Amino acid sequence: KNEVEQSPQNLTAQEGEFITINCSYSVGISALHWLQQHPGGGIVSLFMLSSGKKKHGRLIATINIQEKHSSLHITASHPRDSAVYICAVQETSGSRLTFGEGTQLTVNP
Amino acid sequence: NAGVTQTPKFQVLKTGQSMTLQCAQDMNHEYMSWYRQDPGMGLRLIHYSVGAGITDQGEVPNGYNVSRSTTEDFPLRLLSAAPSQTSVYFCASKKGTGANVLTFGAGSRLTVL
Repeated sequence: KNEVEQSPQNLTAQEGEFITINCSYSVGISALHWLQQHPGGGIVSLFMLSSGKKKHGRLIATINIQEKHSSLHITASHPRDSAVYICAVQETSGSRLTFGEGTQLTVNP
Repeated sequence: NAGVTQTPKFQVLKTGQSMTLQCAQDMNHEYMSWYRQDPGMGLRLIHYSVGAGITDQGEVPNGYNVSRSTTEDFPLRLLSAAPSQTSVYFCASKKGTGANVLTFGAGSRLTVL
């Protein structure tokens, strides 16, 4: 079983819809990262969080440490949000990160 | 511009050839790491370093070597390329070894024939 599970694997939405991507993990962590990868592109960090909630523009990330679960929300989705979204956790035992398989999001106009 | 620079962006090798993927960062980050990304799988850690002179293995280290002689550079060496090493490789760095934002290079697409 992967230490980091993301759902759904694939998600198609219409422009303007509210989107939620989920991440569950099984280990103790010091931080959780949400990353974005556009087709053929590099990987950029969206959020790093260890508790509560963070917001940046139309993106919101939340984490529940007790339930070992995080969500990434996109409000008023736009075709330019189409990308792979990756969850990664940094375990409390070290400096390494473990990655989920990613969620492919497609937003249609 | 500050960031992580990876070269080359694309490379085709024949089985058995060797090559080095270069990674350099100018942010004075202590932690540097190499990942491979394959279809249907998450990023997998190959090797990492927490500072100059210190390296350690990740999940999939076989067939790869690294060294960290300076803070800025962390090259990844393929000793004898195999078709199973066809992948996209990413270098990433972050400040310290604790919970900090990871900065990725643009990636290197390697094909081994």
